[in-house]
Amino acid sequence: NAGVTQTPKFRVLKTGQSMTLLCAQDMNHEYMYWYRQDPGMGLRLIHYSVGEGTTAKGEVPDGYNVSRLKKQNFLLGLESAAPSQTSVYFCASNSRGHEQYFGPGTRLTVT
Amino acid sequence: QQPVQSPQAVILREGEDAVINCSSSKALYSVHWYRQKHGEAPVFLMILLKGGEQKGHDKISASFNEKKQQSSLYLTASQLSYSGTYFCGTPHPSNFGNEKLTFGTGTRLTIIP
Repeated sequence: NAGVTQTPKFRVLKTGQSMTLLCAQDMNHEYMYWYRQDPGMGLRLIHYSVGEGTTAKGEVPDGYNVSRLKKQNFLLGLESAAPSQTSVYFCASNSRGHEQYFGPGTRLTVT
Repeated sequence: QQPVQSPQAVILREGEDAVINCSSSKALYSVHWYRQKHGEAPVFLMILLKGGEQKGHDKISASFNEKKQQSSLYLTASQLSYSGTYFCGTPHPSNFGNEKLTFGTGTRLTIIP
């Protein structure tokens, strides 16, 4: 039982490049989330999903897109990376009424 | 609306008690507490529910104030392992369950021997 995994762990992008972050969970959770964490800002919700095939915007969705084609996977895409998107990205999942389980994080630097 | 945590940082000696607060401008439906160690993912500690019921950690407790606009997390007889940044998360009142939490900016707790 791996829990929540994220790929990759680290990435450096140049401004304007694109990339996809993959989150996978093996706990059969309905809900999945993408957060970004910046110093002094806490965890801010980017997008979330309440089930396979559904996504919704969080607090800071601009510049990001997501997809949830399979229940266990939640993908976060950056179409044209900007230095302001340098951050640590966490994926999380849970079942209704229960705590969120977080992945180990992806540290992204955009130069 | 992002909850406000206080204090922002605190240093305690091992064995001392700690109190961390999480405040909102509106009544809280529930409060979720997580701890994050440096370079690691946040880890769930406990949930404080509207009626005062708690789910989670044995040695950590929490409560609401009278208006339910503030929750306090109590760490008694703190251990070195309690060091980390504590986040409270509050769901939007219209949410059922725990989707879409809004997290506070965190309280950094350092326990020294």
